[in-house]
Amino acid sequence: AQTVTQSQPEMSVQEAETVTLSCTYDTSENNYYLFWYKQPPSRQMILVIRQEAYKQQNATENRFSVNFQKAAKSFSLKISDSQLGDTAMYFCAFTLNEGAGTASKLTFGTGTRLQVTL
Amino acid sequence: DGGITQSPKYLFRKEGQNVTLSCEQNLNHDAMYWYRQDPGQGLRLIYYSQIVNDFQKGDIAEGYSVSREKKESFPLTVTSAQKNPTAFYLCASSWTGYSNQPQHFGDGTRLSIL
Repeated sequence: AQTVTQSQPEMSVQEAETVTLSCTYDTSENNYYLFWYKQPPSRQMILVIRQEAYKQQNATENRFSVNFQKAAKSFSLKISDSQLGDTAMYFCAFTLNEGAGTASKLTFGTGTRLQVTL
Repeated sequence: DGGITQSPKYLFRKEGQNVTLSCEQNLNHDAMYWYRQDPGQGLRLIYYSQIVNDFQKGDIAEGYSVSREKKESFPLTVTSAQKNPTAFYLCASSWTGYSNQPQHFGDGTRLSIL
């Protein structure tokens, strides 16, 4: 079974600063995908960024980037130029690549609550 | 606009009662999922369905049941056998072309015990 661990229950960052959220995972498989989802106070889950395990290049989406260390099974999220709208719960998630035509069953971490302050 | 609609937003259950949470999607996605979210915990998978008329248990299926009679709809029934049903329930859907397809989520239903 796969597990995802987020060891930082809460973090705080000032507006315009940079913050890094940690995530580690455990799997014996080699072909999988990793995601970061954001859950603002509205409770809707929003995809932030995704990483394919076979790609060595770290994914980037505007102010969001990841540091994917496959050997260490680490997948951290860096938020640059933090904005008040980034205040939310952030969840790291994992899914195996079980081939075309299959559902992508996600395993989530427990989340990190990020507060962006003025 | 395409998306996932969950209803109702809030639901209350009496002891011994079954309740059904609705989930409808117009994204033409093949796969649909139900997750449960408790305070301080991440989302946990209850059931999922890859195609119509087929569904599989997730990690915490006991006390729940589902059906998938139409591609667009995946209702979840919380039965009286679920002894601790108070939680936030999220429905999601995705393509099944490749596993890296992200799941799209509804706005959730909060279920409480009366």
